Amino acid sequence: ETGVTQSPTHLIKTRGQQVTLRCSSQSGHNTVSWYQQALGQGPQFIFQYYREEENGRGNFPPRFSGLQFPNYSSELNVNALELDDSALYLCASNPGGTSGRVTTDTQYFGPGTRLTVL
Amino acid sequence: AQKITQTQPGMFVQEKEAVTLDCTYDTSDQSYGLFWYKQPSSGEMIFLIYQGSYDEQNATEGRYSLNFQKARKSANLVISASQLGDSAMYFCAMRDRSGSARQLTFGSGTQLTVLP
Repeated sequence: ETGVTQSPTHLIKTRGQQVTLRCSSQSGHNTVSWYQQALGQGPQFIFQYYREEENGRGNFPPRFSGLQFPNYSSELNVNALELDDSALYLCASNPGGTSGRVTTDTQYFGPGTRLTVL
Repeated sequence: AQKITQTQPGMFVQEKEAVTLDCTYDTSDQSYGLFWYKQPSSGEMIFLIYQGSYDEQNATEGRYSLNFQKARKSANLVISASQLGDSAMYFCAMRDRSGSARQLTFGSGTQLTVLP
């Protein structure tokens, strides 16, 4: 048990719709990252939030957006869904910030939300 | 840009034997961390072991050990005394100082099957 939860577990949407995925981090974890994992591939970094502000983004278009709340919960929003958005979406939390030397600050993952776009 | 390469799409091992999963990485940073995660069919990524670039000794966590060869840029995972429950996808990942988010960069994974 990592203490990171995600909802819903599964979701089916149609192309063009919008979706919101939710994540609840461990208490005290100020950083949350979101990853997209297509079938048969490793996770790809979408973006990261630290203390409610986005502080890094991967190669994803602006229709992928997020929010982080003071109660250690966060959201991933995807607008104008495309068929290629079908994937497992993982959130991961860790305690610290991102300044200074790389540390042992391990990211702990939730169970993921499997999104299917028809 | 950082890159992780896992060249073994699938591996088989007999129960109770040891197995090595390969991982090579590429980074221009001197300070970085290497991670291994296990992903069962349920989907959750489970943290196994961490190795820092400045750590002089290879990391060990129970039956997991990391064979870190810095000059060769390799960080292979060794699982001793394999168990049926070890059957899963295994990902090597790296984190360095490139990018503001210090995000993890993952390899493509190795599917391990433990045979009874």
